[in-house]
Amino acid sequence: GAGVSQSPSNKVTEKGKDVELRCDPISGHTALYWYRQSLGQGLEFLIYFQGNSAPDKSGLPSDRFSAERTGGSVSTLTIQRTQQEDSAVYLCASSPRTGNPSSYNSPLHFGNGTRLTVT
Amino acid sequence: SQKIEQNSEALNIQEGKTATLTCNYTNYSPAYLQWYRQDPGRGPVFLLLIRENEKEKRKERLKVTFDTTLKQSLFHITASQPADSATYLCALDMDSGAGSYQLTFGKGTKLSVIP
Repeated sequence: GAGVSQSPSNKVTEKGKDVELRCDPISGHTALYWYRQSLGQGLEFLIYFQGNSAPDKSGLPSDRFSAERTGGSVSTLTIQRTQQEDSAVYLCASSPRTGNPSSYNSPLHFGNGTRLTVT
Repeated sequence: SQKIEQNSEALNIQEGKTATLTCNYTNYSPAYLQWYRQDPGRGPVFLLLIRENEKEKRKERLKVTFDTTLKQSLFHITASQPADSATYLCALDMDSGAGSYQLTFGKGTKLSVIP
């Protein structure tokens, strides 16, 4: 079956440019997450969408980062005025997790990420 | 503050031996803990979940233990094979800093199984 799809798989951009990263979650999954993974580092939580609720943006590192999820499905992570320290792999994951605490332990299904290089 | 630590960045083991990976956490009592596998250039893949009231969970050659007193989970791969070489991540819900709890990952342990 179809998994989580991310595009592009690789993106090279110049410092100061804006970039958009796309995530297509597994159909029917109400929860969607963005994480960032820098070389030699763990996964850093960025943002979490749950159904129609307001997203949890507590992990976004600066106001240059924003994300949308349209129609409860596809999500776009936008980085404005990119900096070299933004270079990393951006991972998207979806989950059948809902607002019901009994579903909180639902595993995450990850895409293969977008490798962003800011030159 | 809450922390999750995998205390080995890398582990080399001979094929056929049992690999044991450690995950420790502080200042928290999670209801469950998850383990993932990540291969180079790929996203993490879920392996096992263990709940706080479970001491041990098994899946084929994998075994996970959860000691809430020691605040530690151990991940074992028995009869290890070169194909088991990957980075293994533990994860649990932690306060994201804004009062909501999100799945937080350790930095992972890179396992190399030597033929």
